[in-house]
Amino acid sequence: GESVGLHLPTLSVQEGDNSIINCAYSNSASDYFIWYKQESGKGPQFIIDIRSNMDKRQGQRVTVLLNKTVKHLSLQIAATQPGDSAVYFCAERLNKGAQKLVFGQGTRLTINP
Amino acid sequence: GAVVSQHPSWVICKSGTSVKIECRSLDFQATTMFWYRQFPKQSLMLMATSNEGSKATYEQGVEKDKFLINHASLTLSTLTVTSAHPEDSSFYICSARDRRTYATNEKLFFGSGTQLSVL
Repeated sequence: GESVGLHLPTLSVQEGDNSIINCAYSNSASDYFIWYKQESGKGPQFIIDIRSNMDKRQGQRVTVLLNKTVKHLSLQIAATQPGDSAVYFCAERLNKGAQKLVFGQGTRLTINP
Repeated sequence: GAVVSQHPSWVICKSGTSVKIECRSLDFQATTMFWYRQFPKQSLMLMATSNEGSKATYEQGVEKDKFLINHASLTLSTLTVTSAHPEDSSFYICSARDRRTYATNEKLFFGSGTQLSVL
């Protein structure tokens, strides 16, 4: 069941504005990172990924930035649309040989009309 | 992108019964599949890693006799919640990795999830 007192970080932006969702990771050996979008009642949907030998990668309307010095990952969404409203999770692969991904806590993005 | 089909999307069952959830990769072969559990407003918690033709690897604290995983083919993995109880009610999500990207261990594709409610 739901843990009492646990709340997802939330971010509200106006439609058309840019949004930045942040994620801190703790493992300096993590070598691969992914952002997923999850709409209510659905499974996570792949957005964009980045390897640790890069610091920036761009997709369609999205950009992922990786700062290994401070172990920080961000997802920038340009010109947000109502359909961007969802929970966004970052995930990391702890090392190159790891099979599994470890997910962050998630951020709920709400787009205001 | 690759499609992962998960069935059923929701199930309601009585306490003490068993429930089977299927996860299929539709247009690719998946050497490895993963099962996650997600409570409301929380992140995904990995339950187990399922490799085709071998026993699943369970995360610490996950009862393997409670959550039976079978990965009999490269396109199908099943999770059976045995003797379900209300505390097992949750959103269960499977994911799969395309065999062709296995060497790089990247990019998981997720099913649509199964909402289990145990009465």
